[in-house]
Amino acid sequence: GAVVSQHPSRVICKSGTSVKIECRSLDFQATTMFWYRQFPKQSLMLMATSNEGSKATYEQGVEKDKFLINHASLTLSTLTVTSAHPEDSSFYICSARDGQAASYGYTFGSGTRLTVV
Amino acid sequence: RKEVEQDPGPFNVPEGATVAFNCTYSNSASQSFFWYRQDCRKEPKLLMSVYSSGNEDGRFTAQLNRASQYISLLIRDSKLSDSATYLCVVDFYSGTYKYIFGTGTRLKVLA
Repeated sequence: GAVVSQHPSRVICKSGTSVKIECRSLDFQATTMFWYRQFPKQSLMLMATSNEGSKATYEQGVEKDKFLINHASLTLSTLTVTSAHPEDSSFYICSARDGQAASYGYTFGSGTRLTVV
Repeated sequence: RKEVEQDPGPFNVPEGATVAFNCTYSNSASQSFFWYRQDCRKEPKLLMSVYSSGNEDGRFTAQLNRASQYISLLIRDSKLSDSATYLCVVDFYSGTYKYIFGTGTRLKVLA
């Protein structure tokens, strides 16, 4: 089945630094990838939709200058958390779908647990 | 109103019990529906798609009512390993596809 590889799985960084998270579709091409954030005991919240070769679409309330998304190829999307602060500590997860068939569902990366100290 | 709503639970049930989760969605243009399972601190995994005619996969049965904008998941003969958070997910198209998650319902199956 479709596999999405996400790295790193866990990162601890100092306040004010930037962190880059990568998601790769391993055996399929993903023209669109989705980035989510999940705080403890809450649901996944869609942050942005990443489109290959064009600008990402951000959800309301998500700062596009803080969460930089790059989708330069059909198999790689990156999310950079710039000038991270403790309140950015969260579980970040990407997803993509192989093919257009609605019944396929989306495949998720294994997530990145970010802790900003 | 949230786009996808679920009772957060937790549902604590004994092994062997039957448990049902409900989910409502607000966008009538929604086209595809899914139930995902998420274990603690892990990524969500697809449990099953939900079709208008209803569908069953072993102990799991999913139903969709488009008129009421309502989705359900029934788990029969609960196992300890069913303990997880169950996420209702709605996929709709508004210029681009969006995958919206419900808040999730926590299930704990007790021995």
